Amino acid sequence: QLLEQSPQFLSIQEGENLTVYCNSSSVFSSLQWYRQEPGEGPVLLIALYKAGELTSNGRLTAQFGITRKDSFLNISASIPSDVGIYFCAGYQTQGGSEKLVFGKGTKLTVNP
Amino acid sequence: DAGVTQSPTHLIKTRGQQVTLRCSPISGHKSVSWYQQVLGQGPQFIFQYYEKEERGRGNFPDRFSARQFPNYSSELNVNALLLGDSALYLCASSPRDRVTEAFFGQGTRLTVV
Repeated sequence: QLLEQSPQFLSIQEGENLTVYCNSSSVFSSLQWYRQEPGEGPVLLIALYKAGELTSNGRLTAQFGITRKDSFLNISASIPSDVGIYFCAGYQTQGGSEKLVFGKGTKLTVNP
Repeated sequence: DAGVTQSPTHLIKTRGQQVTLRCSPISGHKSVSWYQQVLGQGPQFIFQYYEKEERGRGNFPDRFSARQFPNYSSELNVNALLLGDSALYLCASSPRDRVTEAFFGQGTRLTVV
């Protein structure tokens, strides 16, 4: 797998903070975080474009690594509706070909 | 505004048959990409089209093909279906100036029996 995510599973109590990590040996021109719920397509949460970029979207914060090979997503004060599978996805352009590469995902459970 | 729409939502086919999946992008989006997602895995890139031209292709056999129409809608075709082709097929559209940001449809659940 080109993009490694950890942890694979995460079960936390409502109100707790959590961090999901994404690592690769490859360089990406941009990196995005998505959340997918059962029966739905992934929904874009945060997009990162510059090395070292730190971006927030409400309770979500993500950073793109300096080497453009890694990222983390932090969710603060978790709520039950945060449940789902979180994916990181890296965008690559090689020889004029473009593609978005996804990690295997982190399944989040939030216990009330 | 309507999001990305895909049809059909569910499909059952027999091994060896051919299938066509359809996708309408968000209005104003000129880039469409296709992904295959098997249970427990992340989406795997199949194709990307921009302005009717193929811009990227993933590691899928030639049984998989796609095209984009002048109105930016797209079709994914899979020939000689195998049991292993059973998956959720996702279509995503992207705005021209943010082609790296994908907005996904709900997908087509294909079952090959």
